[in-house]
Amino acid sequence: AQSVTQLDSHVSVSEGTPVLLRCNYSSSYSPSLFWYVQHPNKGLQLLLKYTSAATLVKGINGFEAEFKKSETSFHLTKPSAHMSDAAEYFCVVSARPGKLIFGQGTTLQVKP
Amino acid sequence: SQTIHQWPATLVQPVGSPLSLECTVEGTSNPNLYWYRQAAGRGLQLLFYSVGIGQISSEVPQNLSASRPQDRQFILSSKKLLLSDSGFYLCAWSAESDQPQHFGDGTRLSIL
Repeated sequence: AQSVTQLDSHVSVSEGTPVLLRCNYSSSYSPSLFWYVQHPNKGLQLLLKYTSAATLVKGINGFEAEFKKSETSFHLTKPSAHMSDAAEYFCVVSARPGKLIFGQGTTLQVKP
Repeated sequence: SQTIHQWPATLVQPVGSPLSLECTVEGTSNPNLYWYRQAAGRGLQLLFYSVGIGQISSEVPQNLSASRPQDRQFILSSKKLLLSDSGFYLCAWSAESDQPQHFGDGTRLSIL
């Protein structure tokens, strides 16, 4: 069975410092993985996706994630946080076509 | 480009009243459509998905139902709302089952 675990429920960084949001997954086959961002009272926006091509995936707004099969991880990073990055982030694994399994979310706080 | 619309943005309903939430997609044909519920502080739970007109799959037994009367219209309904139906409801679409899903801005439903 597929599952996803976001290791931190809350991450706080200062503006201009790096961001690391951690995600581990479990899958019985080569998964499709996604990161979504959700701003308050809004829907989810796709940041990036991994679908068995390059292991380092670049997304929008300067975010990127690296797929590490040996560690079953798909951590999200950004070199320099911006105030507008403050939001909820979800790591998602595709259990089967059309069926997404969402992590519990990580709240990113960016301090000035 | 494709857009997805949900309405209303917020809704307050008494227990026992009916519900109808609407979602429409523009700029694409025969999309896969999804209804999710997001409880406070939690990830998303898939409620229904549809691969075509009149084709609805339910993921969890509940007090809700879904219909797809037109290709790009997806409706979430209930005959009698329960307190436990409160939450943030999100509609999403994808071009194919193995493609990323794109979300609407959601409906905040409060049951009194």
